[in-house]
This record gives sequence, structure tokens and C-alpha cells, in this order.
Amino acid sequence: GAVVSQHPSRVICKSGTSVKIECRSLDFQATTMFWYRQFPKKSLMLMATSNEGSKATYEQGVEKDKFLINHASLTLSTLTVTSAHPEDSSFYICSARGTGGTEAFFGQGTRLTVV
Amino acid sequence: RKEVEQDPGPFNVPEGATVAFNCTYSNSASQSFFWYRQDCRKEPKLLMSVYSSGNEDGRFTAQLNRASQYISLLIRDSKLSDSATYLCVVNGGWGKLQFGAGTQVVVTP
Repeated sequence: GAVVSQHPSRVICKSGTSVKIECRSLDFQATTMFWYRQFPKKSLMLMATSNEGSKATYEQGVEKDKFLINHASLTLSTLTVTSAHPEDSSFYICSARGTGGTEAFFGQGTRLTVV
Repeated sequence: RKEVEQDPGPFNVPEGATVAFNCTYSNSASQSFFWYRQDCRKEPKLLMSVYSSGNEDGRFTAQLNRASQYISLLIRDSKLSDSATYLCVVNGGWGKLQFGAGTQVVVTP
């Protein structure tokens, strides 16, 4: 299957700082990228959908000013957690879908810990 | 009602046995369905797509029942390495994937 690279895999940051997570499609053009978060033993929760070159669509209850998503190219999307708080600590995963594709390919995930 | 529902399990399965579990979905307009596998603290990985006629991949068989709005996964001759959480995924339209909470399978020696 296609390869999606997510970086960093693990990050610890202080409260109040911002953290950027990158999601890259390595061997295909990702017209759509999805960002999820997952709490322990819970399902993946879709945060937002981004299409290359346009603003992200956020799911209800997700603060767009706190979780900034940029999908500037067909191979890169970034999620920036601004002014991080301990409750933002979670596992964040991106997925990417190519043109006309129905399945999505996942990045490795980023475990964020805010202290 | 959740859009995609699964029995969380765990399903404790002796090695070599068969295990099956279902997933129900609420959006009758859903077009495509998948089973993903997720190991602890790892990203989900596509196990198999689910086709209308049902499909088999080795020891894994997936079925789709549109009338009752559920999909199923059956694992034959379970291996220890099959221990994982199996996520039911439904393409709810516009490529937005909706995930079930997962069914945990534990294969024991």
C-alpha cells in the first residue's frame, strides 16, 4: 500500500507552547488528508478534513483556532496544536487519500504529552 | 445512536479456533466498508476491504449485509499474532471515514 509518514512519533512539550505535527504522503498525491485523535481504548475521532489548497473542515466541537491545519501541497499536511494544555495529550494520527481513492493510508501516529 | 457500532470484546479465542464479530452502521447510503487492524499504540492498518458479494483473504472472511446494515469479519485458524483490535470503518461519503470503537481479539495458546 501507499506510504504515509508522520513526524514526530513522540513529543513532550510544556503547557502553553505550540507543537507542529507533519504528515507526508511519500509515493502518491494526497488530495485529502484527515486528522484524528485517539484516547486510550477509544475509537479514532475525526478532528478535521483538509483538501489541498483549501481551508480545513473541522468536526463539531473541535476548535479550529487551537488545532491549526495546513494542507499546502499534495504531499504535506500539518497540524499545529497551539497553546497546548495537558488535556491535549493524546495520540494524533493522520491519514491520506489519493484522487479517486476510497481507502485511506495512515501515518504512524504522534503521541503528544503536554506537561 | 453511534454511526458505527462494534462489540468492544474482548473475544478470548484459543489458538486454532474460529472467531467472528459484527459491526453495524447507521447510514444506509454508505458506499464502502473496510476492516482495519490496530495493534496497541500503533496506527491502524488496512486488513481488507469488504465487497458486496463477500470476500476472503486467507484466513479472513468479510461479509456485507446491506439490508441489515452490518458487516462481519471471521477469522479461521486463529494465530497468536491475530491478537489486536479490529476496527470497522465505513466510508460515510466525501471520503470521510467513520470508525467503530474496535473489537479486541485475544488469541491464547
